[in-house]
Amino acid sequence: EAQLVESGGALVQPGGSLRLSCVVSGFPFSINAMNWVRQAPGKGPEWIANIHRTGSPTYYADSVRGRFTVSRDNAKNTVYLQLNDLRPEDTALYSCARDGGGLDPWGQGTMVTVSS
Amino acid sequence: EIVLTQSPATLSLSPGERATLSCRASQTVGIYLAWYQQKPGQIPRLLIYDTSSRATGTPARFSGSGSGTDFTLTIDSLEPEDFGVYYCQQRSRAFGQGTRVEIK
Repeated sequence: EAQLVESGGALVQPGGSLRLSCVVSGFPFSINAMNWVRQAPGKGPEWIANIHRTGSPTYYADSVRGRFTVSRDNAKNTVYLQLNDLRPEDTALYSCARDGGGLDPWGQGTMVTVSS
Repeated sequence: EIVLTQSPATLSLSPGERATLSCRASQTVGIYLAWYQQKPGQIPRLLIYDTSSRATGTPARFSGSGSGTDFTLTIDSLEPEDFGVYYCQQRSRAFGQGTRVEIK
C-alpha cells in the first residue's frame, strides 16, 4: 500500500525558514513526479510545487516562487520542500502527493504556523 | 498562471438527484483536468483525472467531460456520502475555489 509521511512542520516566526520532508513507500518513487499542496484552515487546497521524477525541472506557484525550493532524493524515497522568508499567509497544512495524472495518493500533511 | 473558476459555489440537492458541477479555465488546459472530493477533516480524494478517467475506487455514478477551457463533473443519483466540497485542478497546477454540494 502506498504511503506518504510528511514531517518538519512547526511554529516559526515571520522571516524564518523550515525544511519539510515527505518519505514515500509502497510504490516506485523514482518513476513519478511529486507535488506539494497546502491548505490553510478553512480554505481550499493550493498547489505550490512540482518536481520531475529526475529532480528537474521544477515548477512553483507564483505565491511561493523565489522563497520555496522543492528537491528530491530518489535513493531515500524522499521529497523535500525548503521554505524561506516565511509569512503569516504561509500558515497551512502542507501535504505531498504523487503525480500520476491526478494527485494520488496524498500524505496526511504537516502543519506550518507562521506567527510572532 | 491559469485560473480555474468553479460554479456554482454551492449546490443544494436531495439524495437521488443529479449534480452538475462546472469548471472553467482562463486558458486551455487540453484534457489535463482533474476533480477531487473533500470532506471535513480529510485530505482531498482524487475522483477523475485527464477529464474523464475515473481514479481507482471512484463509483461509476461520477463522470467527467469537456476539453480546452470548459469542464463538467456529473454525479448521477447523489448518494448521502457524496456531499462535500469538490475541486477541479489543472494537472500539477492550480486548483479551482471549489463547489460545495450540500443536502437540501
